[in-house]
Amino acid sequence: EAQVTQNPRYLITVTGKKLTVTCSQNMNHEYMSWYRQDPGLGLRQIYYSMNVEVTDKGDVPEGYKVSRKEKRNFPLILESPSPNQTSLYFCASTLGMGTEAFFGQGTRLTVV
Amino acid sequence: RKEVEQDPGPFNVPEGATVAFNCTYSNSASQSFFWYRQDCRKEPKLLMSVYSSGNEDGRFTAQLNRASQYISLLIRDSKLSDSATYLCVVRPNDYKLSFGAGTTVTVRA
Repeated sequence: EAQVTQNPRYLITVTGKKLTVTCSQNMNHEYMSWYRQDPGLGLRQIYYSMNVEVTDKGDVPEGYKVSRKEKRNFPLILESPSPNQTSLYFCASTLGMGTEAFFGQGTRLTVV
Repeated sequence: RKEVEQDPGPFNVPEGATVAFNCTYSNSASQSFFWYRQDCRKEPKLLMSVYSSGNEDGRFTAQLNRASQYISLLIRDSKLSDSATYLCVVRPNDYKLSFGAGTTVTVRA
């Protein structure tokens, strides 16, 4: 079954404690992205990757890091989380940017 | 100005009704257009792509007006299962999808 898998689904953490949200896709897609969704703002792109070892900033990259060492995995790293990073996060993958984007189930992150 | 703007609704309609709503986008160079559906903060899923000539998928009809930079979605014969948030999505360049904040539709029995 084609899917994008994110972990964890829910996370409560404290300010400053480094965390990683994993994302894995089994469709051999080249393009992967991370988004955050906040009420009234829609999904905003954090980082994207066009292929292995190729990543770039989206609209709201501050406070986040990513890596793409393998085609299937695209982890999101928060080195020092802050309360304003409390949000719903989605990972997505696409074969090409003009095609359908497949989303993971989301990670609801709360930073206290 | 937001790249994609939508009326947040909510649109509260009875079963069987027709409901329609629009979104506008700011980048005239945008190449691809989509409607996604999102249920109760779950992951968005593609409802349909939107083509210049307009297109239909069952009870759903999408229209694109490039001159006025807006996209519309019409749902005929609404079902309870159509209750969701509908996201207008635009591709302004090769590496980005821009999302509207969503239009909430509630279909009541």
